[in-house]
Amino acid sequence: AIRMTQSPSSLSASTGDRVTITCRASQGFSSFLAWYQQKPGKAPKLLIYAASTLQSGVPSRFSGSGSGTDFTLTISCLQSEDFATYYCQQYYSYPWTFGQGTKVEIK
Amino acid sequence: EVQLVESGGGLIQPDRSLRLSCAASGFTFDDYAMHWVRQAPGKGLEWVSSISWNSGSISYADSVKGRFTISRDNAKNSLYLQMNSLRAEDTALYYCAKVNVIVPTATGAFDIWGQGTMVIVSS
Repeated sequence: AIRMTQSPSSLSASTGDRVTITCRASQGFSSFLAWYQQKPGKAPKLLIYAASTLQSGVPSRFSGSGSGTDFTLTISCLQSEDFATYYCQQYYSYPWTFGQGTKVEIK
Repeated sequence: EVQLVESGGGLIQPDRSLRLSCAASGFTFDDYAMHWVRQAPGKGLEWVSSISWNSGSISYADSVKGRFTISRDNAKNSLYLQMNSLRAEDTALYYCAKVNVIVPTATGAFDIWGQGTMVIVSS
């Protein structure tokens, strides 16, 4: 199975900050990577798919990049509604696997 | 409105069986592969199983292989997860999710999720 490791596991940031979350895969693949946002008590929400394609309706302050084993999610200007947990997921090979999550908290 | 609604969860004793359902609406159900994803309390997301649009391609996580069976009824716009020989470690919120592309396989990111149905395995 491809192991997905996110870093950091948590971070504290302020509104307006630029935030970057990294996801590293245990083996390389092309662009079959997605990023999700999850708020407490809610289902995950798709932000980015195919590593860098913004899902319809998602604000443009979210962006994704990377290929091979290293992928990043960037929030260019953190807003109050962005405080949540973020997960990466590979859908390149079975079993599909998620990162352990990165919790973005208010500083 | 595109929507997925799970049902069938509850408190169940170990080694018993439970069947989860997911009712889809607002999209052409038989165009898309579907998946089950679970989340144990306070933990991260774990992919459980997938089924292609025509049930021709089915996959399972090793943790549930041989115990869980995914199926779908396109005429009823419904997805199912038959869970047998349940264990305490199966306790989780179970989500059904739709993929975001129309492909013959089950590949795709999950663009629509249900609200989840909770399964608690305990004596």
